[in-house]
Amino acid sequence: DTGVSQDPRHKITKRGQNVTFRCDPISEHNRLYWYRQTLGQGPEFLTYFQNEAQLEKSRLLSDRFSAERPKGSFSTLEIQRTEQGDSAMYLCASSLVRSGGTQYFGPGTRLLVL
Amino acid sequence: QQQVKQSPQSLIVQKGGISIINCAYENTAFDYFPWYQQFPGKGPALLIAIRPDVSEKKEGRFTISFNKSAKQFSLHIMDSQPGDSATYFCAASGNAGNMLTFGGGTRLMVKP
Repeated sequence: DTGVSQDPRHKITKRGQNVTFRCDPISEHNRLYWYRQTLGQGPEFLTYFQNEAQLEKSRLLSDRFSAERPKGSFSTLEIQRTEQGDSAMYLCASSLVRSGGTQYFGPGTRLLVL
Repeated sequence: QQQVKQSPQSLIVQKGGISIINCAYENTAFDYFPWYQQFPGKGPALLIAIRPDVSEKKEGRFTISFNKSAKQFSLHIMDSQPGDSATYFCAASGNAGNMLTFGGGTRLMVKP
């Protein structure tokens, strides 16, 4: 399977705990995006990387959120001190700069904060 | 601020009928308009996309119509099938990073 993969697929945690999600993009895709999707809504942009550089962050990305893409390949998204409002599907997408915007999404990580 | 407005929120169509979903945008800098299909528990899958230099694009049973002056675009699904039952999202981008701004989604049900 050469699509975007995400791990874990599901995560249940208690409020106040830290969680980390991983995204492996399509091989050789130099752009990687994180989105958040709450139930019944469209995905909302969080942040994106071009290679290892984090080029933009949404105002939705509070200081409890941090994302990395250390070697320009996989990326991690960490949420510290989780809150119930963080419960959502976290989606990763990747693209090639020259593809003109075509983004391919992974299956997502569904987070439930109790 | 919702920059892409999508309607209707839900749609029921008989098998073989035409499903039509509409989107309107505000940001004139948008220059790429994809449609995604999402099944429960899955990530969005790209269906078809259009750029403003054409007014229509067709791929199989799926057609995008684009009206630049009205800042509107729509998805038409011809000969709708029960397997098309899913949530459809329109989106738009136009900045250097190509971040997508999504509409609120349309839940389509195709009755056999």
